[in-house]
Amino acid sequence: AQSVTQPDIHITVSEGASLELRCNYSYGATPYLFWYVQSPGQGLQLLLKYFSGDTLVQGIKGFEAEFKRSQSSFNLRKPSVHWSDAAEYFCAVGAGGNEKLTFGTGTRLTIIP
Amino acid sequence: DVKVTQSSRYLVKRTGEKVFLECVQDMDHENMFWYRQDPGLGLRLIYFSYDVKMKEKGDIPEGYSVSREKKERFSLILESASTNQTSMYLCASQGGAGANVLTFGAGSRLTVL
Repeated sequence: AQSVTQPDIHITVSEGASLELRCNYSYGATPYLFWYVQSPGQGLQLLLKYFSGDTLVQGIKGFEAEFKRSQSSFNLRKPSVHWSDAAEYFCAVGAGGNEKLTFGTGTRLTIIP
Repeated sequence: DVKVTQSSRYLVKRTGEKVFLECVQDMDHENMFWYRQDPGLGLRLIYFSYDVKMKEKGDIPEGYSVSREKKERFSLILESASTNQTSMYLCASQGGAGANVLTFGAGSRLTVL
């Protein structure tokens, strides 16, 4: 069965600092990987996805993520965070096609001035 | 843009009441999903549907049922609400060119007293 681990429940960073959110997955084949963001009181919005090809993928809002097969990881990065990036971030894995996704437990990001 | 609309953003119900959560999508997507979101547990899949009148159990279907009479509408039903069903419920749709990508509604926050 597929699974996702987000080891950091809560991260606090200063505005303008760099960010890395960790995601490790367990899946038997080549995974489809996603990062979603949820602002307070809202649904989830897709930040970026990896299906195949270049292992460094660019997303919206200046985010990027790198797929590392050897480490079963798909970490999310941003070089300089903005106060508006404060939200909860979810990593997800799927089997491809129109299959259901499995989500991690989320990482809550707090930005301090 | 795909739009997924959850008609009730906030509901307060009493134990034992029957509760309907409605979800409508406007992009002719085949697949629809209901997730439940709780702090520290992330998103857990309740039910999903790949076609009209089709339904499949997710990871936590107990205490819930669903209905999909039309392609655009997927309803989650709590036959007899209990306090442990107090949660945020997220509907999502999937299909078309963005295969495997889920598009979420804004969520329905249910409180059962």
